[in-house]
Amino acid sequence: EPEVTQTPSHQVTQMGQEVILRCVPISNHLYFYWYRQILGQKVEFLVSFYNNEISEKSEIFDDQFSVERPDGSNFTLKIRSTKLEDSAMYFCASSAVFTGLFDSYEQYFGPGTRLTVT
Amino acid sequence: QKEVEQNSGPLSVPEGAIASLNCTYSDRGSQSFFWYRQYSGKSPELIMFIYSNGDKEDGRFTAQLNKASQYVSLLIRDSQPSDSATYLCAVKIGAGRRALTFGSGTRLQVQP
Repeated sequence: EPEVTQTPSHQVTQMGQEVILRCVPISNHLYFYWYRQILGQKVEFLVSFYNNEISEKSEIFDDQFSVERPDGSNFTLKIRSTKLEDSAMYFCASSAVFTGLFDSYEQYFGPGTRLTVT
Repeated sequence: QKEVEQNSGPLSVPEGAIASLNCTYSDRGSQSFFWYRQYSGKSPELIMFIYSNGDKEDGRFTAQLNKASQYVSLLIRDSQPSDSATYLCAVKIGAGRRALTFGSGTRLQVQP
């Protein structure tokens, strides 16, 4: 069964450093997402990406965050200057788009990258 | 503020019983509703989705949606210890949007 993959599984970085989290969405999906979950808290939406551009973003997704689809398979989240409060699980998700009468909104999540900022 | 509310639990049921998980949402514009299961330290796993009022069944799972009451529920029949997890309700709010708003989840414990 196709699945979303993410690398690395765990990233430790120092405050102020840049990190890039990588995701390979399900191959026939066209919408890609990043969510995060701070330990013990809700899953929070960060950004969605479609047709090589951001389609939605939350208040969390400020100028220190960026996303990119550098090639036909990878989808990345960059955090330019990490802060202690960026420590969280970051989940990539993807969903399909149908061009017929019905769209598909089901989002499938990858295993996550645990980001620890020290 | 668009909210999705769930009782945090834990909800404890004996093996073989029906577990009933509930979720309310604040935005009447909400259109699509999802239940995810999340084991400790793992990612959310989609188990059910429902777009129309009424019931939707898939194996041991039934999702129920009542848009007038802004209420969605998940029933798990014949609960198994392996069903012990946190169940997240997620809502797609608004036309043209795809972002999911998650509740804080209900922790389910199935006692053998």
